Amino acid sequence: AQSVTQLDSQVPVFEEAPVELRCNYSSSVSVYLFWYVQYPNQGLQLLLKYLSGSTLVKGINGFEAEFNKSQTSFHLRKPSVHISDTAEYFCAVSPLSSGSARQLTFGSGTQLTVLP
Amino acid sequence: EAGVAQSPRYKIIEKRQSVAFWCNPISGHATLYWYQQILGQGPKLLIQFQNNGVVDDSQLPKDRFSAERLKGVDSTLKIQPAKLEDSAVYLCASSLKLLQYSNYGYTFGSGTRLTVV
Repeated sequence: AQSVTQLDSQVPVFEEAPVELRCNYSSSVSVYLFWYVQYPNQGLQLLLKYLSGSTLVKGINGFEAEFNKSQTSFHLRKPSVHISDTAEYFCAVSPLSSGSARQLTFGSGTQLTVLP
Repeated sequence: EAGVAQSPRYKIIEKRQSVAFWCNPISGHATLYWYQQILGQGPKLLIQFQNNGVVDDSQLPKDRFSAERLKGVDSTLKIQPAKLEDSAVYLCASSLKLLQYSNYGYTFGSGTRLTVV
């Protein structure tokens, strides 16, 4: 079984400042890692994913994340945020599997609020 | 390509009533998922279908929830009778069976927001 911990439920930050949203996971098997964003009254949109290869992953909207296997972390970063980045961000994992069962286990989310 | 379609967008019912949600996945996606997202929490998987067969329904409260995907395309999730704690957003997602697609093939619909009063 897998579990995901997002350490901060709310992160306020001023516009153009850098931000880091923290994510730690626990799993007995190797996993894929994801960050999703959810704008109000909308579905989840994939920001970025780590499947294999380079541990620094770049996603959409200027976001990036770094996979740290020893610390079982996958923190999300952006060097300069915009008002439009205000949203809920979810970290998720999925077990490596050769089968069709690729379920996502989500963290509880971090509300990023960008202040003018 | 068209996304995952869900209806209705919003539903308000009284406790002990029944309700049904509909999902039409992306064409060609064999795998379909229903997630429950309670306010302030991350989505939780309720049930996963592969074509018209159930892969995992271990977290589905089977005494009141049911789901079907009869022809391996669209799916219906039903709650009967509803409880106050069922108030949540119900998200449908679909994915291709094979892994080697750049976006991991996992696409979510906009969800149905259920309020039980």
